[in-house]
Amino acid sequence: GAGVSQSPSNKVTEKGKDVELRCDPISGHTALYWYRQSLGQGLEFLIYFQGNSAPDKSGLPSDRFSAERTGGSVSTLTIQRTQQEDSAVYLCASSRGPGESSPLGYTFGSGTRLTVV
Amino acid sequence: AQSVTQLDSQVPVFEEAPVELRCNYSSSVSVYLFWYVQYPNQGLQLLLKYLSGSTLVKDINGFEAEFNKSQTSFHLRKPSVHISDTAEYFCAVTLSNNNDMRFGAGTRLTVKP
Repeated sequence: GAGVSQSPSNKVTEKGKDVELRCDPISGHTALYWYRQSLGQGLEFLIYFQGNSAPDKSGLPSDRFSAERTGGSVSTLTIQRTQQEDSAVYLCASSRGPGESSPLGYTFGSGTRLTVV
Repeated sequence: AQSVTQLDSQVPVFEEAPVELRCNYSSSVSVYLFWYVQYPNQGLQLLLKYLSGSTLVKDINGFEAEFNKSQTSFHLRKPSVHISDTAEYFCAVTLSNNNDMRFGAGTRLTVKP
């Protein structure tokens, strides 16, 4: 597609429920990233996928968080047993991979605003 | 891993005044540096990037940033700000051999009339 697409744009869920957030990157972008932006906070790195390599999961805050990327394209971020502190905007970005060309920076999606009540 | 520090969480300025938003990075290897802007209720947009070559990079709206390797800085400047520049500005860094980008905490620029 023309841009990075994220769905849903807004999600309200009850504490303890599981949620899935979807990211559809720009076609041909081999790198995909998830970040979390909490109110008044900066961008917190969560996870990074590059091609078929094992993802860098070093930013996931707990084992309730997981992500997968099927077929090197669409990615799903899953949060199990949601807590109120999980409320944030979850941003996905994609880019060309290293070595493919000069990095042009990321293209961000509009984000999913998650509210845990 | 590389990291970024933005020392100022909020910068209030009056319209037409100059502004500098500070960014320092930490890395033992060569890096690429970026500034992103997030206008109210919008997503992040790439503002400026330094990859190589001239250490001073500029955009069409009057923003510029200078890569200073000795001071490990990439401060963003604008000689005269407009109300419409009110936004959150994020500095980011990647290593030159990968695309793993780390962001600073952001600086909220508020331009007052």
